[in-house]
Amino acid sequence: KAGVTQTPRYLIKTRGQQVTLSCSPISGHRSVSWYQQTPGQGLQFLFEYFSETQRNKGNFPGRFSGRQFSNSRSEMNVSTLELGDSALYLCASSGDRGRTQYFGPGTRLLVL
Amino acid sequence: DAKTTQPPSMDCAEGRAANLPCNHSTISGNEYVYWYRQIHSQGPQYIIHGLKNNETNEMASLIITEDRKSSTLILPHATLRDTAVYYCIVRPSTGNQFYFGTGTSLTVIP
Repeated sequence: KAGVTQTPRYLIKTRGQQVTLSCSPISGHRSVSWYQQTPGQGLQFLFEYFSETQRNKGNFPGRFSGRQFSNSRSEMNVSTLELGDSALYLCASSGDRGRTQYFGPGTRLLVL
Repeated sequence: DAKTTQPPSMDCAEGRAANLPCNHSTISGNEYVYWYRQIHSQGPQYIIHGLKNNETNEMASLIITEDRKSSTLILPHATLRDTAVYYCIVRPSTGNQFYFGTGTSLTVIP
């Protein structure tokens, strides 16, 4: 099976802009979770989607949002970008039976 | 949610076993222990998980104490490619949110 894929892999934006990141889970996986990784805060959970519904949410401002499509692909959006949003954004998928999460390679976002 | 405590760094000689400890004293009875590693800002790679019994796969072994308050990940014959940050995580009984700590930075020395 192909692994989790994320696009784009690298992105440069300026403050105030918005950005959309995409994640395609492993075939058959219906749960998609998003994480932010920064040198200062480490790996932090953003939110999880399951069958097109947000099931869990971490402690992030409303500028961070997401959605999931019927084919389980997911997107996350960050509006009004701030310098502190520069990070590696990771997506992970898991199946119904096993809740082991499999991570994608990440999207590295740089906000200037 | 149960928190985990790991030493910030460890060294291991190439070819020797690497034993990475993790403390999770507040773990609940139905919470699993997961181990992942992250090599140089790539996506975390799943290694192994367990509930109460010891587990082994092609990558590693997981030893969980009888009281489940701590565990040890064992890489039987460490190679230079095992140099990474290793995360011990207690998966909540409901939901898929993983809470990563600071992990252990393992350096395998030639």
